[in-house]
Amino acid sequence: AAGVIQSPRHLIKEKRETATLKCYPIPRHDTVYWYQQGPGQDPQFLISFYEKMQSDKGSIPDRFSAQQFSDYHSELNMSSLELGDSALYFCASSLWGAGGEQYFGPGTRLTVT
Amino acid sequence: GDSVTQMEGPVTLSEEAFLTINCTYTATGYPSLFWYVQYPGEGLQLLLKATKADDKGSNKGFEATYRKETTSFHLEKGSVQVSDSAVYFCALSPLYGNKLVFGAGTILRVKS
Repeated sequence: AAGVIQSPRHLIKEKRETATLKCYPIPRHDTVYWYQQGPGQDPQFLISFYEKMQSDKGSIPDRFSAQQFSDYHSELNMSSLELGDSALYFCASSLWGAGGEQYFGPGTRLTVT
Repeated sequence: GDSVTQMEGPVTLSEEAFLTINCTYTATGYPSLFWYVQYPGEGLQLLLKATKADDKGSNKGFEATYRKETTSFHLEKGSVQVSDSAVYFCALSPLYGNKLVFGAGTILRVKS
């Protein structure tokens, strides 16, 4: 079965640079979520989209923005990167109203040097 | 706000031992409850879920029961295997909204 695809899998950036992470949800899933997982931490919810509209917002820094496109894929744009942004970034997808049953991608490991 | 508290790890067990990982939650109303598992270098996988009080979620020998009176959702398995070694996250999805709120995660190590 098709899973959530994330690209790139690994990304190394320098401080103050920008990064773009991409997420391709499971076919027919209409909702996308982004989570940030620091080393040894639990995943923290950043933002979600349903039918290309922002549906919920968590602890996402103002330096970050995201959107969902007409083909339901999503991109997380991160600017003015800081060392503390180094983390695993997970995308998950679901059908709207699935009550938290989300399917996670393998994650993008971002390292800021 | 909504939150999840899990027992601290790591938990180290011998193969075929009984497993319990405690999880309690604080939430408005009646959230849905989940256990997710994360194997090294991989994303999170849904292990089991329960959507209302007294529901029992089960999968791959793991079980957890939604206890409203104690606001708990403890994970159990009767006989663990080395392949169960992973990080286990308890999570809730609020009554309104679809996001997941995770506990801190519990590392499980099973030795042969």
